[in-house]
Amino acid sequence: QVRLVQSGPEVKNPGASVRVSCKASGFSFPSFGFIWVRQAPGQGPEWMGWISASSHATSYARRFQGRVTMTTDTSTSTAFMDLSSLTSDDTGVYFCARASLTVRPDDAFDIWGQGTEVTVSS
Amino acid sequence: QSVLTQPPSASGTPGQRVSISCSGDNSNIGKNLVCWYQQLPGMAPRLLIFRNNQRPSGVADRFSGSKSGTSASLAISGLRSEDEAVYYCAAWDDNLSGPMFGGGTKLTVL
Repeated sequence: QVRLVQSGPEVKNPGASVRVSCKASGFSFPSFGFIWVRQAPGQGPEWMGWISASSHATSYARRFQGRVTMTTDTSTSTAFMDLSSLTSDDTGVYFCARASLTVRPDDAFDIWGQGTEVTVSS
Repeated sequence: QSVLTQPPSASGTPGQRVSISCSGDNSNIGKNLVCWYQQLPGMAPRLLIFRNNQRPSGVADRFSGSKSGTSASLAISGLRSEDEAVYYCAAWDDNLSGPMFGGGTKLTVL
């Protein structure tokens, strides 16, 4: 079964960092890229960036550049998203989704993780 | 944040046909392909339409997409109660250098 399974909910203090994982199964992990998307409460998804599972090339949205790091581990078929210097504005649900191996404007995201809730609060 | 504008809500009765609009500009919809996603409460988005009007396998042909200029539409015919969800349009945005999502339209089946 083709699926992405994400790590569990996180509660963080302002200024801390968070790591969310996304484990793939049922397909060839190195043949794809992965995007990360944030969804704040009551809002639409927001693209954070993309990573190639095989080349580890990345493309980050400008507003997250400097705070986000995306990595992959092909030995465990897992993608990771690290976000640092958290503020309350980072509270939301974070999704990974399967993407193309290269960044392309005609891409569509057909497999999604279940989402990871991140709460930033003191 | 989003520059893809969708009506916040839409509604219809079972069996009806409803249409959801998505308005952008020449940096996104005007020159790039559009996708549509369905999100049920508490769930991840699900790809419904890609490349403006293509359906992935497993998506009912009651769902159809179209694009004209800087706008796109999702039509749902033969409305069912299980279609009650939030629908998002998405398109590559040249200014973002990545995909941009609309604000979402909550569809209520009356």
